[in-house]
Amino acid sequence: KAGVTQTPRYLIKTRGQQVTLSCSPISGHRSVSWYQQTPGQGLQFLFEYFSETQRNKGNFPGRFSGRQFSNSRSEMNVSTLELGDSALYLCASSLSGTGGTDTQYFGPGTRLTVL
Amino acid sequence: QKEVEQNSGPLSVPEGAIASLNCTYSDRGSQSFFWYRQYSGKSPELIMFIYSNGDKEDGRFTAQLNKASQYVSLLIRDSQPSDSATYLCAVSGFQKLVFGTGTRLLVSP
Repeated sequence: KAGVTQTPRYLIKTRGQQVTLSCSPISGHRSVSWYQQTPGQGLQFLFEYFSETQRNKGNFPGRFSGRQFSNSRSEMNVSTLELGDSALYLCASSLSGTGGTDTQYFGPGTRLTVL
Repeated sequence: QKEVEQNSGPLSVPEGAIASLNCTYSDRGSQSFFWYRQYSGKSPELIMFIYSNGDKEDGRFTAQLNKASQYVSLLIRDSQPSDSATYLCAVSGFQKLVFGTGTRLLVSP
């Protein structure tokens, strides 16, 4: 079974621009979660989508948004990029979502650099 | 108080020794506990999970859970240099999965 895929793997943008990241979950998984990872903060939860609906949201500004399509693929958008948005963005998929006994499997991540 | 706490390390052990990684959590309603390994520049990969009090063994890895003390640990027996990585503890509750900041493990040959 193919794992979680994320595109692009690397991205360089300038302040003020916007960016869209894509994630394709493991086949059959309906939940997609997004995380931001920085050296100082560790893994920070952005949001979770399940069956095209945002089910949970972390403590990030409204510049960070996402969506999920009917095939469970998900996109994350960051508008008006700031230098502090430079990070590794990770997508994780699971069968039925966070919580309970469900296990999350991570994609390789997208390394975003904001100049 | 952080929801999931780990010592950032680094924890240094010689090759062949047992590495002990610890994690405490604050939510008594937590149901599932996961250990992920993350190599530098890579994404986290699942090592094992545990749901019930006690020990769970998988090869060289043993997870230990004590819900009364809100404590979960990971033991790595016969540590190898290839085990050098950051180990993330994750705790799951109702529609919520919270990660610790990770413990960096260094295994010296």
